[in-house]
Amino acid sequence: ILNVEQSPQSLHVQEGDSTNFTCSFPSSNFYALHWYRWETAKSPEALFVMTLNGDEKKKGRISATLNTKEGYSYLYIKGSQPEDSATYLCAFPGTNAGKSTFGDGTTLTVKP
Amino acid sequence: EAQVTQNPRYLITVTGKKLTVTCSQNMNHEYMSWYRQDPGLGLRQIYYSMNVEATDKGDVPEGYKVSRKEKRNFPLILESPSPNQTSLYFCASSFSPPIYGTTNEKLFFGSGTQLSVL
Repeated sequence: ILNVEQSPQSLHVQEGDSTNFTCSFPSSNFYALHWYRWETAKSPEALFVMTLNGDEKKKGRISATLNTKEGYSYLYIKGSQPEDSATYLCAFPGTNAGKSTFGDGTTLTVKP
Repeated sequence: EAQVTQNPRYLITVTGKKLTVTCSQNMNHEYMSWYRQDPGLGLRQIYYSMNVEATDKGDVPEGYKVSRKEKRNFPLILESPSPNQTSLYFCASSFSPPIYGTTNEKLFFGSGTQLSVL
């Protein structure tokens, strides 16, 4: 089982704060890293698929960067809003086609 | 509407009573996968399928079976459920399996099945 770690486990911020969290993955044999957002009582939804070292993806106030050489990806949320409250998951496909390892997630709570 | 349909949403059963959780997608996706989620843990992959009649074990396959006889359906079978299989289960699908990092590999998830085995 691949080691995919997310930190912190949980985060509480005030509305308007910017925040970021980390996904660490094995740096060898990198193909891709996926980010998902999972709101309470809903299903996870895809945010980004990241493939290239130095890649940066953006969706509204959310952006993500990738460092494949050191094995980490950052997810940033600028000016957090209560509707950003969710668990953010990263998934690392690894080298076995079809297999995918998820991190345990970072749960973000944004207080109004 | 493009979706992954999972049934039932909630299920309470007893130890040893065989059950099936159904999963169906209407997006002509090649790849399908089952996950379980337990408190404090991320999604752990149970089984996946690269295409019809092609299934393989994920990280936690013990106690589960799957089949992929048609492209759209990927049922999860618990032949003899035990209390340690109490969990939240998700089915997911994508156009392509997670290999090369294309946007076609984004997973679409079903609404989840909360299973309790007493």
